[in-house]
Amino acid sequence: DAGITQSPRHKVTETGTPVTLRCHQTENHRYMYWYRQDPGHGLRLIHYSYGVKDTDKGEVSDGYSVSRSKTEDFLLTLESATSSQTSVYFCATQGADNNSPLHFGNGTRLTVT
Amino acid sequence: KNEVEQSPQNLTAQEGEFITINCSYSVGISALHWLQQHPGGGIVSLFMLSSGKKKHGRLIATINIQEKHSSLHITASHPRDSAVYICAAPYYGGSQGNLIFGKGTKLSVKP
Repeated sequence: DAGITQSPRHKVTETGTPVTLRCHQTENHRYMYWYRQDPGHGLRLIHYSYGVKDTDKGEVSDGYSVSRSKTEDFLLTLESATSSQTSVYFCATQGADNNSPLHFGNGTRLTVT
Repeated sequence: KNEVEQSPQNLTAQEGEFITINCSYSVGISALHWLQQHPGGGIVSLFMLSSGKKKHGRLIATINIQEKHSSLHITASHPRDSAVYICAAPYYGGSQGNLIFGKGTKLSVKP
């Protein structure tokens, strides 16, 4: 979607280093989500936000933290990257209306060596 | 926690065929999502539906809330429909909030 930008698009990092992925939206959507996608698994929720400074854990939150200091930005941080966190990460947003569809960013491919 | 199952996992069709992809879930919901993931990796929302049927071009999505089942149909399939199709339902039921996703159905349409 044109209104959702993920950065970086690709990153290679070493085990033990901190990594921050950024999701920026121009849609003024209330909900923002971070997912990871791995072969053999569906998309799995890492963390989500339902407003500024309001976040909660998802299914696979261990090793990840998030922050949302303003509506348009949702940051995902790996404090100390591990090889098991090699994955494709997707950000998504959703409006407050109960009938709002999901809008996805283009994904970030992260490789931890 | 909802469990979401899709079938089939893989589907190969000839151009022009009618395609059906199925999705079942375990916890009552009031809305279900269908998504399409392109070969390049981008994901787009196709439908969000809470009852009955929705149609967009050659795509039709139906849902039976009582049976906890939804189907995605593609009429007159075309090679450009080749993609992974994913259904998703609210994690704890209801309508909104975090979702649990099926593992996807990989569709390949041959010319």
